[in-house]
Amino acid sequence: EPEVTQTPSHQVTQMGQEVILRCVPISNHLYFYWYRQILGQKVEFLVSFYNNEISEKSEIFDDQFSVERPDGSNFTLKIRSTKLEDSAMYFCASSERQRTNEKLFFGSGTQLSVL
Amino acid sequence: DAKTTQPPSMDCAEGRAANLPCNHSTISGNEYVYWYRQIHSQGPQYIIHGLKNNETNEMASLIITEDRKSSTLILPHATLRDTAVYYCIVSRQAGTALIFGKGTTLSVSS
Repeated sequence: EPEVTQTPSHQVTQMGQEVILRCVPISNHLYFYWYRQILGQKVEFLVSFYNNEISEKSEIFDDQFSVERPDGSNFTLKIRSTKLEDSAMYFCASSERQRTNEKLFFGSGTQLSVL
Repeated sequence: DAKTTQPPSMDCAEGRAANLPCNHSTISGNEYVYWYRQIHSQGPQYIIHGLKNNETNEMASLIITEDRKSSTLILPHATLRDTAVYYCIVSRQAGTALIFGKGTTLSVSS
């Protein structure tokens, strides 16, 4: 079965540094998402992306965050100046369409640790 | 948005059916019920979804009450690998993201 691939699996950074998390969605999918999960807490929606623009974003997704689809395969999440509270597992997801009955496919996540 | 209520935890013996309930009394007529699960710290995994009718696939069955105010996810023969957090989600309008709640932690033991 096709899958969403995320790299790296673990990322350690110093507070204030920029990080870029990378995702390769399933090839025929058109809608892309980032979620995050702080240890012990629930999965939180960050942003959705379609046709090279943000479709929806949550309150968490502030000016420190940005997303990009730099080429035909990658989908990236950039955090400009990381904070300790950005430490979390970040999940990328994709879907073929965006209907009320569409299912999301998630990657295995990138564990971000901000020191 | 329609909200869901799930028990925080459930136990199930290996080989037995696991029946996970979900209450969604404010669901709208065009909103689907989705079930996802998250094994340990892996990415959430789609299980099944439905609108009105009961649904079955290779992973599970979904039973939706006639008034659509509640549903039950059934894992017919639970295994240790089914130990996970199970999320019941009512989809919002097309074009909006799925929002996860706290889910039910299912523990399957031998």
